Amino acid sequence: DQQVKQNSPSLSVQEGRISILNCDYTNSMFDYFLWYKKYPAEGPTFLISISSIKDKNEDGRFTVFLNKSAKHLSLHIVPSQPGDSAVYFCAASASNTGKLIFGQGTTLQVKP
Amino acid sequence: NAGVTQTPKFRILKIGQSMTLQCAQDMNHNYMYWYRQDPGMGLKLIYYSVGAGITDKGEVPNGYNVSRSTTEDFPLRLELAAPSQTSVYFCASTNSPRTEAFFGQGTRLTVV
Repeated sequence: DQQVKQNSPSLSVQEGRISILNCDYTNSMFDYFLWYKKYPAEGPTFLISISSIKDKNEDGRFTVFLNKSAKHLSLHIVPSQPGDSAVYFCAASASNTGKLIFGQGTTLQVKP
Repeated sequence: NAGVTQTPKFRILKIGQSMTLQCAQDMNHNYMYWYRQDPGMGLKLIYYSVGAGITDKGEVPNGYNVSRSTTEDFPLRLELAAPSQTSVYFCASTNSPRTEAFFGQGTRLTVV
């Protein structure tokens, strides 16, 4: 039972264009959502997060949008840079239990 | 700052052997997590802890055990290793599931 789903295993975009990574969740108990970035042979690193009471959070080139009724969130990267090439994980947490669940990841390739 | 330290970095086990993966954090975080990453499968939560003396099962706990006798340490025990436990294991810690979690560098385990 996959509670956090990233249905696109990979995404390729041109440098300077927008990258949009999507994530769906099933558990209504999740109240915080986070995005992590991972390079090969390293642990994931935090990118950006959003509370379930908000619908948008922006940090520089990164914006996360939350559609709570659709149980869907997306990460927008604009403009995309070659250094953004990595695996991106969506994660959801339930603060009443402390559980932190990750999706399958999307591999982003930004071409120069 | 050491952050989250995992040992060992690599290990080869024979079927039926047991071992303990070590995880230590020096940030006084209450929440700690163990994940495994299989190719194309994302990060699966094995066990987690919301504080010393408290542990709970995640998505894939079978074949593993944990303990949390101190705030700093969260070891993961594999009993009777099986080839299906071949994976990369990540430990993480955080102040709160609503905020950034810090990951270790991972332990690559092969069971033959």
